[in-house]
Amino acid sequence: DTEVTQTPKHLVMGMTNKKSLKCEQHMGHRAMYWYKQKAKKPPELMFVYSYEKLSINESVPSRFSPECPNSSLLNLHLHALQPEDSALYLCASSPDRWGGVVTEAFFGQGTRLTVV
Amino acid sequence: GNSVTQMEGPVTLSEEAFLTINCTYTATGYPSLFWYVQYPGEGLQLLLKATKADDKGSNKGFEATYRKETTSFHLEKGSVQVSDSAVYFCALSRSINAGGTSYGKLTFGQGTILTVHP
Repeated sequence: DTEVTQTPKHLVMGMTNKKSLKCEQHMGHRAMYWYKQKAKKPPELMFVYSYEKLSINESVPSRFSPECPNSSLLNLHLHALQPEDSALYLCASSPDRWGGVVTEAFFGQGTRLTVV
Repeated sequence: GNSVTQMEGPVTLSEEAFLTINCTYTATGYPSLFWYVQYPGEGLQLLLKATKADDKGSNKGFEATYRKETTSFHLEKGSVQVSDSAVYFCALSRSINAGGTSYGKLTFGQGTILTVHP
Protein backbone atom coordinates (compact mmCIF):
# COMPACT_ATOMS: atom_id res chain seq x y z
CA ASP A 1 0.00 0.00 0.00
CA THR A 2 1.69 3.19 -1.19
CA GLU A 3 -1.30 5.47 -0.84
CA VAL A 4 -1.99 8.58 1.12
CA THR A 5 -5.76 8.99 1.46
CA GLN A 6 -7.36 12.38 2.05
CA THR A 7 -10.98 13.15 2.89
CA PRO A 8 -13.06 14.91 1.86
CA LYS A 9 -12.09 15.53 -1.78
CA HIS A 10 -14.08 18.75 -1.91
CA LEU A 11 -15.24 21.05 0.88
CA VAL A 12 -17.22 24.27 0.84
CA MET A 13 -17.41 26.13 4.14
CA GLY A 14 -18.58 29.47 5.43
CA MET A 15 -16.31 31.84 7.25
CA THR A 16 -17.90 30.99 10.61
CA ASN A 17 -17.81 27.21 10.17
CA LYS A 18 -15.51 24.68 11.81
CA LYS A 19 -14.40 21.77 9.68
CA SER A 20 -11.60 19.20 9.58
CA LEU A 21 -9.50 17.67 6.84
CA LYS A 22 -8.28 14.11 7.32
CA CYS A 23 -5.25 12.24 6.01
CA GLU A 24 -4.28 8.60 6.45
CA GLN A 25 -1.30 6.48 5.41
CA HIS A 26 -0.32 2.88 6.19
CA MET A 27 3.23 2.85 4.84
CA GLY A 28 4.79 3.14 8.29
CA HIS A 29 6.07 6.62 7.52
CA ARG A 30 6.85 8.67 10.61
CA ALA A 31 6.96 12.09 8.92
CA MET A 32 3.69 13.67 7.73
CA TYR A 33 3.12 17.04 6.12
CA TRP A 34 0.42 19.55 5.24
CA TYR A 35 0.86 21.69 2.14
CA LYS A 36 -1.30 24.45 0.67
CA GLN A 37 -1.40 24.90 -3.09
CA LYS A 38 -2.93 27.84 -4.92
CA ALA A 39 -3.80 27.60 -8.61
CA LYS A 40 -0.79 27.42 -10.94
CA LYS A 41 1.66 27.58 -8.00
CA PRO A 42 3.87 25.00 -6.31
CA PRO A 43 2.80 23.56 -2.95
CA GLU A 44 3.75 25.61 0.11
CA LEU A 45 4.71 23.78 3.28
CA MET A 46 2.47 24.49 6.27
CA PHE A 47 3.27 21.90 8.96
CA VAL A 48 5.55 18.91 9.53
CA TYR A 49 4.96 16.17 12.08
CA SER A 50 7.77 13.80 12.95
CA TYR A 51 6.95 10.88 15.22
CA GLU A 52 3.60 12.49 16.04
CA LYS A 53 5.27 15.68 17.27
CA LEU A 54 4.95 19.01 15.52
CA SER A 55 8.40 19.82 14.11
CA ILE A 56 7.71 22.70 11.74
CA ASN A 57 5.02 25.37 11.68
CA GLU A 58 5.75 27.68 8.76
CA SER A 59 4.16 30.72 10.44
CA VAL A 60 0.67 29.49 9.60
CA PRO A 61 -2.26 31.52 11.05
CA SER A 62 -3.89 30.00 14.12
CA ARG A 63 -7.16 29.47 12.24
CA PHE A 64 -5.38 26.34 10.92
CA SER A 65 -4.76 23.81 13.70
CA PRO A 66 -2.98 20.53 12.94
CA GLU A 67 -3.29 17.34 14.93
CA CYS A 68 -1.54 13.98 14.70
CA PRO A 69 -3.54 11.46 16.78
CA ASN A 70 -1.29 8.52 15.84
CA SER A 71 1.40 7.54 13.39
CA SER A 72 -1.10 6.85 10.58
CA LEU A 73 -3.42 9.84 10.88
CA LEU A 74 -3.07 13.56 10.36
CA ASN A 75 -5.85 16.11 10.73
CA LEU A 76 -6.12 19.77 9.89
CA HIS A 77 -8.79 21.64 11.86
CA LEU A 78 -10.19 24.76 10.22
CA HIS A 79 -11.99 27.62 11.96
CA ALA A 80 -12.93 31.14 10.93
CA LEU A 81 -11.25 30.90 7.55
CA GLN A 82 -11.11 33.68 4.99
CA PRO A 83 -11.95 33.46 1.28
CA GLU A 84 -8.23 33.78 0.47
CA ASP A 85 -7.70 30.44 2.25
CA SER A 86 -9.47 28.72 -0.63
CA ALA A 87 -6.93 26.33 -2.14
CA LEU A 88 -5.96 22.69 -2.63
CA TYR A 89 -4.70 21.23 0.65
CA LEU A 90 -2.28 18.36 0.21
CA CYS A 91 -1.14 15.83 2.75
CA ALA A 92 2.13 13.94 2.29
CA SER A 93 4.22 11.39 4.15
CA SER A 94 7.81 10.19 3.97
CA PRO A 95 10.11 7.80 5.77
CA ASP A 96 12.36 9.27 8.43
CA ARG A 97 16.12 9.14 7.99
CA TRP A 98 18.93 9.86 10.40
CA GLY A 99 21.83 11.15 8.32
CA GLY A 100 20.81 8.88 5.48
CA VAL A 101 19.54 9.38 1.98
CA VAL A 102 16.35 11.36 1.69
CA THR A 103 13.69 9.50 -0.23
CA GLU A 104 10.54 10.82 -1.82
CA ALA A 105 7.40 12.13 -0.21
CA PHE A 106 4.11 10.49 -1.16
CA PHE A 107 1.21 12.86 -1.71
CA GLY A 108 -2.52 12.41 -1.36
CA GLN A 109 -5.04 13.59 -3.94
CA GLY A 110 -5.79 16.69 -1.92
CA THR A 111 -8.88 18.43 -0.57
CA ARG A 112 -10.21 21.26 -2.73
CA LEU A 113 -11.37 23.84 -0.17
CA THR A 114 -13.63 26.76 -1.01
CA VAL A 115 -14.38 29.36 1.67
CA VAL A 116 -17.51 31.43 1.01
CA GLY B 1 19.17 28.75 1.20
CA ASN B 2 17.91 26.04 -1.12
CA SER B 3 16.16 26.95 -4.36
CA VAL B 4 14.98 25.35 -7.61
CA THR B 5 14.58 27.16 -10.92
CA GLN B 6 12.55 25.66 -13.76
CA MET B 7 12.11 26.90 -17.28
CA GLU B 8 9.00 28.99 -17.59
CA GLY B 9 6.07 27.61 -19.47
CA PRO B 10 3.69 26.99 -20.79
CA VAL B 11 5.24 24.46 -23.14
CA THR B 12 3.09 23.39 -26.08
CA LEU B 13 4.10 20.43 -28.24
CA SER B 14 2.65 18.16 -30.87
CA GLU B 15 2.28 14.48 -30.14
CA GLU B 16 5.54 12.49 -30.64
CA ALA B 17 7.71 15.61 -30.24
CA PHE B 18 10.82 15.63 -28.03
CA LEU B 19 10.44 17.21 -24.60
CA THR B 20 13.00 18.99 -22.45
CA ILE B 21 12.13 20.89 -19.27
CA ASN B 22 15.17 22.54 -17.72
CA CYS B 23 15.73 22.52 -13.97
CA THR B 24 18.66 23.90 -12.00
CA TYR B 25 19.10 24.02 -8.24
CA THR B 26 21.03 25.75 -5.49
CA ALA B 27 21.73 23.80 -2.33
CA THR B 28 24.47 23.02 0.14
CA GLY B 29 25.66 19.47 0.35
CA TYR B 30 24.02 16.65 -1.58
CA PRO B 31 20.27 16.97 -1.94
CA SER B 32 18.01 14.35 -3.45
CA LEU B 33 16.27 15.50 -6.64
CA PHE B 34 12.79 14.71 -7.88
CA TRP B 35 10.34 15.36 -10.67
CA TYR B 36 6.69 15.36 -9.64
CA VAL B 37 3.74 15.52 -12.05
CA GLN B 38 0.30 16.93 -11.33
CA TYR B 39 -2.59 16.08 -13.64
CA PRO B 40 -5.62 18.40 -13.65
CA GLY B 41 -7.62 18.21 -10.44
CA GLU B 42 -5.23 15.76 -8.79
CA GLY B 43 -2.43 15.66 -6.22
CA LEU B 44 1.28 15.28 -6.95
CA GLN B 45 2.69 12.00 -8.20
CA LEU B 46 6.36 11.16 -8.11
CA LEU B 47 7.61 10.79 -11.68
CA LEU B 48 11.27 10.00 -11.03
CA LYS B 49 14.08 10.60 -8.58
CA ALA B 50 17.85 10.64 -8.17
CA THR B 51 19.68 10.63 -4.87
CA LYS B 52 23.33 11.14 -5.85
CA ALA B 53 25.47 12.69 -8.56
CA ASP B 54 25.34 10.98 -11.98
CA ASP B 55 22.27 8.95 -11.03
CA LYS B 56 19.71 8.73 -13.82
CA GLY B 57 16.06 8.52 -12.84
CA SER B 58 13.60 7.11 -15.35
CA ASN B 59 9.92 6.24 -15.52
CA LYS B 60 7.23 6.04 -18.22
CA GLY B 61 9.71 7.13 -20.90
CA PHE B 62 10.85 10.19 -18.93
CA GLU B 63 14.48 10.56 -17.86
CA ALA B 64 16.58 12.99 -15.83
CA THR B 65 20.26 12.85 -14.79
CA TYR B 66 21.63 14.39 -11.57
CA ARG B 67 24.46 16.65 -12.76
CA LYS B 68 26.35 18.07 -9.80
CA GLU B 69 28.87 19.98 -11.93
CA THR B 70 26.08 22.00 -13.56
CA THR B 71 23.63 21.71 -10.62
CA SER B 72 20.97 20.53 -13.05
CA PHE B 73 18.27 17.85 -13.32
CA HIS B 74 16.66 18.38 -16.73
CA LEU B 75 13.60 16.29 -17.63
CA GLU B 76 13.47 14.67 -21.09
CA LYS B 77 11.14 12.43 -23.05
CA GLY B 78 11.74 11.28 -26.58
CA SER B 79 8.11 11.18 -27.76
CA VAL B 80 5.35 12.87 -25.80
CA GLN B 81 1.71 11.83 -25.80
CA VAL B 82 -1.48 13.81 -25.25
CA SER B 83 -1.82 12.02 -21.91
CA ASP B 84 1.45 13.66 -20.73
CA SER B 85 -0.32 17.04 -20.55
CA ALA B 86 0.12 18.13 -16.93
CA VAL B 87 2.13 20.41 -14.65
CA TYR B 88 5.67 19.23 -13.91
CA PHE B 89 7.51 20.24 -10.73
CA CYS B 90 11.21 19.85 -10.14
CA ALA B 91 12.09 19.57 -6.45
CA LEU B 92 14.99 18.98 -4.12
CA SER B 93 14.94 17.53 -0.65
CA ARG B 94 17.37 17.99 2.19
CA SER B 95 17.36 16.05 5.40
CA ILE B 96 16.27 18.02 8.44
CA ASN B 97 17.37 16.60 11.80
CA ALA B 98 15.15 17.43 14.73
CA GLY B 99 14.85 15.89 18.15
CA GLY B 100 16.50 12.58 17.26
CA THR B 101 14.58 12.05 14.04
CA SER B 102 14.96 13.34 10.53
CA TYR B 103 12.76 13.97 7.54
CA GLY B 104 13.07 15.43 4.09
CA LYS B 105 12.08 19.03 3.47
CA LEU B 106 11.03 19.63 -0.14
CA THR B 107 11.81 22.78 -2.09
CA PHE B 108 9.81 23.05 -5.33
CA GLY B 109 10.38 24.90 -8.56
CA GLN B 110 7.57 27.06 -9.91
CA GLY B 111 6.19 24.32 -12.15
CA THR B 112 5.98 24.02 -15.93
CA ILE B 113 2.65 23.55 -17.68
CA LEU B 114 2.92 21.09 -20.57
CA THR B 115 0.20 20.83 -23.21
CA VAL B 116 0.48 18.17 -25.93
CA HIS B 117 -1.77 18.44 -28.99
CA PRO B 118 -2.76 15.47 -31.21
